[in-house]
Amino acid sequence: AQKVTQAQTEISVVEKEDVTLDCVYETRDTTYYLFWYKQPPSGELVFLIRRNSFDEQNEISGRYSWNFQKSTSSFNFTITASQVVDSAVYFCALSEEPSGSARQLTFGSGTQLTVLP
Amino acid sequence: SAVISQKPSRDICQRGTSLTIQCQVDSQVTMMFWYRQQPGQSLTLIATANQGSEATYESGFVIDKFPISRPNLTFSTLTVSNMSPEDSSIYLCSVSQGARADTQYFGPGTRLTVL
Repeated sequence: AQKVTQAQTEISVVEKEDVTLDCVYETRDTTYYLFWYKQPPSGELVFLIRRNSFDEQNEISGRYSWNFQKSTSSFNFTITASQVVDSAVYFCALSEEPSGSARQLTFGSGTQLTVLP
Repeated sequence: SAVISQKPSRDICQRGTSLTIQCQVDSQVTMMFWYRQQPGQSLTLIATANQGSEATYESGFVIDKFPISRPNLTFSTLTVSNMSPEDSSIYLCSVSQGARADTQYFGPGTRLTVL
């Protein structure tokens, strides 16, 4: 069965600090997809990135970067020069190749990031 | 990505009543899902809404409690029946354009409080 672990329940940083959110996953499939979502206080879930298991290249998008390492089953997310608007709950999620008619997302428990001014 | 709206955005309901939540997408989508997020918790999949047939429910969720409809490729409803305070949660619908490998995009959620 698939599982996603986000060991950091809450992180608090001061604005302009860099912060890394950890994500460790478990799966028996060789083909799978990893995601990060952001949930600001308003409640909607905002898609940030999708990665497939065959693409281990790290990705950078502005102040965001992701480090995918299959050897350690990790998909960590770094925010550089954090801002107050980055304050949110961040979820890591895993999706395996569906055996039935639909793909399921398994979410981690989330990390509450608070960026202080 | 598709624009997803949910109605109502929030509601406060009395124990024993039912609430129907609507999810509307601005384009046709292949897959629609309903999730529950209890206070301070992660998201749990309730069911996959299948167009023209009965929804596929996850373990722990039953049709009598959470009836779902999906009459077409852009619309779905979730009803929370015979509510109790334990049903107080955020309910989110999500959509994807394909069954395989596609990203799920989420609606803004419905915050439900049951007194």
